[in-house]
Amino acid sequence: EAGVAQSPRYKIIEKRQSVAFWCNPISGHATLYWYQQILGQGPKLLIQFQNNGVVDDSQLPKDRFSAERLKGVDSTLKIQPAKLEDSAVYLCASSLVLDEQFFGPGTRLTVL
Amino acid sequence: LAKTTQPISMDSYEGQEVNITCSHNNIATNDYITWYQQFPSQGPRFIIQGYKTKVTNEVASLFIPADRKSSTLSLPRVSLSDTAVYYCLVGENQAGTALIFGKGTTLSVSS
Repeated sequence: EAGVAQSPRYKIIEKRQSVAFWCNPISGHATLYWYQQILGQGPKLLIQFQNNGVVDDSQLPKDRFSAERLKGVDSTLKIQPAKLEDSAVYLCASSLVLDEQFFGPGTRLTVL
Repeated sequence: LAKTTQPISMDSYEGQEVNITCSHNNIATNDYITWYQQFPSQGPRFIIQGYKTKVTNEVASLFIPADRKSSTLSLPRVSLSDTAVYYCLVGENQAGTALIFGKGTTLSVSS
């Protein structure tokens, strides 16, 4: 079974630029999550989708971050404009039942 | 969601048994205890989950005392490849439940 796919794996941008990350969850998984992991910390939930609806986006900085999950499958997370403090690994995860989540490899973002 | 406290780091040698204890004094009746493992440059990976007493799988054992205010992840005979960060999480075992991660325990295994 294929795991959660994410792209790109690495991205370097200047501050105030825009960036987008893509996630393809495990087939059939209705719930999709985006996490931000800053170096030395545990992952922090940014947004959670159930199919194509948002369940929780309370920790998403909505003035600069946006996410969508069209057709309830793939998802895109966008940052516009990026700040230095957005440098982190962005993890996508999906789940089918219970709360075992399957994580992708992440996208490492560096903002200069 | 119940807050968890676990050691920041632990050191061990190959072949030893490692026990990582997690404190969760405010655990609720409906909460389960779940452990994730994260290697560098990878996303976290589910290890084990339990509600009470003892749970064992091919990777680890989870010991939960009767009061459920703490839990211990036991890794038998660790190897160098077990070097990772281990997260203890507490929350309801429901589909779509978001996870709240702490800083985890960094386990370093030496030869």
